[in-house]
Amino acid sequence: AQTVTQSQPEMSVQEAETVTLSCTYDTSESDYYLFWYKQPPSRQMILVIRQEAYKQQNATENRFSVNFQKAAKSFSLKISDSQLGDAAMYFCAYRDSNSGYALNFGKGTSLLVTP
Amino acid sequence: DTGVSQNPRHKITKRGQNVTFRCDPISEHNRLYWYRQTLGQGPEFLTYFQNEAQLEKSRLLSDRFSAERPKGSFSTLEIQRTEQGDSAMYLCASSLAGGRNYGYTFGSGTRLTVV
Repeated sequence: AQTVTQSQPEMSVQEAETVTLSCTYDTSESDYYLFWYKQPPSRQMILVIRQEAYKQQNATENRFSVNFQKAAKSFSLKISDSQLGDAAMYFCAYRDSNSGYALNFGKGTSLLVTP
Repeated sequence: DTGVSQNPRHKITKRGQNVTFRCDPISEHNRLYWYRQTLGQGPEFLTYFQNEAQLEKSRLLSDRFSAERPKGSFSTLEIQRTEQGDSAMYLCASSLAGGRNYGYTFGSGTRLTVV
């Protein structure tokens, strides 16, 4: 099974600054999808951004962008102009072609945003 | 459509009791997934349905767990003879199967505490 590793249990950023969350994954597939999800305390999982492996261009959604390095199997999330509302758990996920395309999640990174 | 709905939000039960959770997916979504999330971890895949058929079960799903999706609409997850190790958040997600579709919608989860 594919594994997803998030090596930063916690990260902290000051409001308006930029932070990068790391994610690496292991797969033998060539066509797959990667996601970043945000989970605020006691709230549901929300999609932040997604990347198709066949696309060379890095995905961008407003203040959120990714650095997708397919050969290195790395998929980091950059949050620019951080806001207090960005504080949450962030999960990197790989869409498995098995298990009905279920998502395979990393352990998460807790992001703290300080004023 | 109000998204994926899960009930109850919280459940406290005594060890050895049976519990049942319900998930109502987005109506047009034919795939439904159950995940378990323990404290400090990412969600782990338990099982998934395509329409009413349960197509895969994780090794995490012991024989005390059973899931159904009658008529391909809502789904239930039952845990028999609960153990303290079953304490977790149980998440449901739904999606539309096919091709390069990759939209998943998560519910807010059911938090189970076994005492």
